[in-house]
Amino acid sequence: DAGVIQSPRHEVTEMGQEVTLRCKPISGHDYLFWYRQTMMRGLELLIYFNNNVPIDDSGMPEDRFSAKMPNASFSTLKIQPSEPRDSAVYFCASSPGLADTGELFFGEGSRLTVL
Amino acid sequence: AQSVTQLGSHVSVSEGALVLLRCNYSSSVPPYLFWYVQYPNQGLQLLLKYTTGATLVKGINGFEAEFKKSETSFHLTKPSAHMSDAAEYFCAVAGSARQLTFGSGTQLTVLP
Repeated sequence: DAGVIQSPRHEVTEMGQEVTLRCKPISGHDYLFWYRQTMMRGLELLIYFNNNVPIDDSGMPEDRFSAKMPNASFSTLKIQPSEPRDSAVYFCASSPGLADTGELFFGEGSRLTVL
Repeated sequence: AQSVTQLGSHVSVSEGALVLLRCNYSSSVPPYLFWYVQYPNQGLQLLLKYTTGATLVKGINGFEAEFKKSETSFHLTKPSAHMSDAAEYFCAVAGSARQLTFGSGTQLTVLP
């Protein structure tokens, strides 16, 4: 398996622009997570899905952020409009549908810079 | 609710020396505990995990960790550091298994 695939790896945009980050989880994994990593706040869970259904989005910072999972092999995280404080590395991770393993498989991340 | 505290944001050791990275947790339920490693410009990878059973857990690359309930600790050790161990290490706790709370990370530097 190719692992969790994220795109783009790097994105530089200007404040106010829409940003869409994409994720393809490992085939057969029932859970998908979006994390944000910054120097100041470390790793923060933004949202996670189980079988394509959002379960907990309490970590989404504000209404400018939205996430979707239209099918088992694809998810997006969208920021509209983007702001400089959104600059971070965004990670997607997936997890198999086994009880209580807690093992996450991470993608290589999308580094976002908002100017 | 659960939380993780990693003592020391930066740790330096000489090649061949003992590696000790400290992690303390709090959890309202019996915890599942994890150590992840992040190499530059990569995602996190699982090093080892404790769920139930034996409290001394062995992971990849010669790392191990011991769950000590009385001390609420899950410190990571390796007897002999290698240059390739230089990375950032994250301790994590799960109350419900699907939601991990990560510590702030410890950057390990290995000196030649």
